[in-house]
Amino acid sequence: GENVEQHPSTLSVQEGDSAVIKCTYSDSASNYFPWYKQELGKRPQLIIDIRSNVGEKKDQRIAVTLNKTAKHFSLHITETQPEDSAVYFCAASRLMGGGTSYGKLTFGQGTILTVHP
Amino acid sequence: DVKVTQSSRYLVKRTGEKVFLECVQDMDHENMFWYRQDPGLGLRLIYFSYDVKMKEKGDIPEGYSVSREKKERFSLILESASTNQTSMYLCASMSGRGETQYFGPGTRLLVL
Repeated sequence: GENVEQHPSTLSVQEGDSAVIKCTYSDSASNYFPWYKQELGKRPQLIIDIRSNVGEKKDQRIAVTLNKTAKHFSLHITETQPEDSAVYFCAASRLMGGGTSYGKLTFGQGTILTVHP
Repeated sequence: DVKVTQSSRYLVKRTGEKVFLECVQDMDHENMFWYRQDPGLGLRLIYFSYDVKMKEKGDIPEGYSVSREKKERFSLILESASTNQTSMYLCASMSGRGETQYFGPGTRLLVL
């Protein structure tokens, strides 16, 4: 099955700095890579995602890059703010095709991001 | 707006008890999932269901079972709770044609 490794486990930055979180995956058939943000005491929520036919995607201060050859993808947050402090999870999935793997996400271990004012 | 609710936010049970965790979604989603969340381990899939009365084992199904009698409701059952099942349990749902999983608020279970 799929295995997703996420690094670092904790990340501390100053407000205004950039933050980068990296993930690797093992299943070359995975084609969908979402990132979820979980604030303290709250549920995980999708913040950005990328499909395997795209190398990079941006949404304001957040971007995700994907290297299919190396099987790794990264989350980039620029101009960090204290409200970016949360746990971030990467995940991988095989969206297309039949069988019971449809929609099944394999998550990384999570990164605790702390943004200091 | 998708709404996923879970029956309890906090639950305390004793070893050996049978525990029911319920999840309800109001968006007519075909797929529903149960995860447990532990520090340093991320979210691990216990079971999922892609249709009523259908279920598939996830990565860590041992000690758990599930029930999906109605499309909107997915129940997680701990047949005989053990202390190593103390954890945060998260339910999620997703459209059959969708990509995004929508999570419930979670149930923090403590087994004494």
